This record gives sequence, C-alpha cells and structure tokens, in this order.
Amino acid sequence: QKEVEQNSGPLSVPEGAIASLNCTYSDRGSQSFFWYRQYSGKSPELIMFIYSNGDKEDGRFTAQLNKASQYVSLLIRDSQPSDSATYLCAVRGGKLIFGQGTELSVKP
Amino acid sequence: DADVTQTPRNRITKTGKRIMLECSQTKGHDRMYWYRQDPGLGLRLIYYSFDVKDINKGEISDGYSVSRQAQAKFSLSLESAIPNQTALYFCATGGRGYGDNEQFFGPGTRLTVL
Repeated sequence: QKEVEQNSGPLSVPEGAIASLNCTYSDRGSQSFFWYRQYSGKSPELIMFIYSNGDKEDGRFTAQLNKASQYVSLLIRDSQPSDSATYLCAVRGGKLIFGQGTELSVKP
Repeated sequence: DADVTQTPRNRITKTGKRIMLECSQTKGHDRMYWYRQDPGLGLRLIYYSFDVKDINKGEISDGYSVSRQAQAKFSLSLESAIPNQTALYFCATGGRGYGDNEQFFGPGTRLTVL
C-alpha cells in the first residue's frame, strides 16, 4: 500500500461544477495535510493545509479531513478552466510524503 | 527575482557522466530539500538538510549525493548518471518558523540521461 494515495485521474469536470479530489494515507500518526497545485511544466505551489478534523474553507477551495478514516479531500467550487492542473496531496507524519497527483481538467 | 533558483534548467547527459544540479534560495530558510518527479509517481524525496551541518537521506538516495555549501545553497550530484535517473528534479525550501509546513519549490531541472 502506498503511503499517500490519490485517484490518478484525469478528472474532467465542466466549468462551474464542483471538483472533488481525494487522498488516503496509511500513517495514523500523520498530523498535517497539504494540497499543492502544479500547472503543467511548473513547480508545485501550496494552496491549502489542514491540521484538524473537519472542513477548512478558503475562497472556492475547501479541504476536508477525517483522521479516523485516514482521508483528506479537496473540493473546488465553481471550477474554472484556470483550475486545470495536477493536484498533489501531501501528508506529514515524520516526513512530508506526496501522493502521485490527480490531473484535473475543467472544460469550458 | 525568484526566491528559489535552480541551475541548469535543462540538461542532457550520457550514462556514466557526473552531473551536479545547483539550488540557491533567498528566502532565508534553514531547511532545503531535493525531490525527483516521475510521471505517475509524484514527488519523491532524495535528500534533505535542516541546516548546514545536517544532511539526511530521503526515500530514494541511492545513486545521489548532496552538499550544503551554505544556508542558501544546496547541490545535488549524480556521481555516475544512469538512464533511470532521467526525471524532473525540484529543490524546495522550508522555514523553521513555519514548523516545516509549507515548502517553496524552485522551477525544476529537467535531466535526461542517454
């Protein structure tokens, strides 16, 4: 089992829809959870982090964490073509471990 | 100017050659990291350094070595490059004040080993 696993995608949603990106992790001691966005040919950039169970909202983005289920998700509301990118989930227990990424395509 | 810079941005080399990738940062961060990215495998940690005298192996350190020349500089070397080291390499930094949470990535070096 991979330490951090994401749906490989690609995930395709129409403009204006909600995009849901999922991530599971194996280390129950993990304490911090991050979502990075990576545009094609560019470097990753942090868009959200969450430490506590529940939801955290920032603009059109909502991160959701369920430690009991070892599950973290990212919801993007009112998806825009500019949201088309690869989204990387990262989990910190001892070290920061990245998932393989989910490619999101938002169609106009 | 970019906060985290990497040189070269692209490099094509041959099997058996020694290669050095360089990373510099102006963010004043103590912590620096080297990752490689392969399609379908995400980012994998090669080496990391929490200060000039602290160097640690990551998930996939075999075939690589590093040097932390100064707080702002962290170099990655491939002593004898092989084709499966063809990948996109990222340097990243993190600040101790952030509890090592957010990492800031350089633009990447695309390395091809023939």
